Amino acid sequence: GESVGLHLPTLSVQEGDNSIINCAYSNSASDYFIWYKQESGKGPQFIIDIRSNMDKRQGQRVTVLLNKTVKHLSLQIAATQPGDSAVYFCAETSRAGNMLTFGGGTRLMVKP
Amino acid sequence: DTGVSQDPRHKITKRGQNVTFRCDPISEHNRLYWYRQTLGQGPEFLTYFQNEAQLEKSRLLSDRFSAERPKGSFSTLEIQRTEQGDSAMYLCASSLRQGGEQYFGPGTRLTVT
Repeated sequence: GESVGLHLPTLSVQEGDNSIINCAYSNSASDYFIWYKQESGKGPQFIIDIRSNMDKRQGQRVTVLLNKTVKHLSLQIAATQPGDSAVYFCAETSRAGNMLTFGGGTRLMVKP
Repeated sequence: DTGVSQDPRHKITKRGQNVTFRCDPISEHNRLYWYRQTLGQGPEFLTYFQNEAQLEKSRLLSDRFSAERPKGSFSTLEIQRTEQGDSAMYLCASSLRQGGEQYFGPGTRLTVT
């Protein structure tokens, strides 16, 4: 399949290790944040979200941390698997907003 | 599979031709969005519908672009007089509520030669 992103920052991890992907957002008015996973040739896939009244939210093998003070978001993936290899985007919006604003994306490569 | 479908998945056209893409959102979702994604970038917002009303348009949506959602269900995005710079992945998403998660379709990859 075709590449989603040719010149993205890349994080390379060993299978079984934990991964941390970071994102800085720009709009202080944003109060809803989403992490998406995008595999080559496919649309973005919803992973986990968090609202601004929280600073941490956990899902299955994934955790999102939100630091509103420095406008920083992170995605932690536990026990990374080869199937986690993809490009990961953070996106922000507000309760009153309709459009998502996406960050630049990080390519995660999992070595077996 | 998110339940959002797009057709066609790939389109190759010559510069100057018109193209039309279709999006079928998740059936109970009344909000529908179009985004464009170029290689190495995140998706960029183009336009948004609530039911059949087009409520928001990006500056990226030039007058060669038009989108419709006539019955509040499926939507079409037409590009007239295509240019090479229109080559991109066109993504559709739908959501149930304002400020909620958006579910994306697989996209239509447009190549203008």
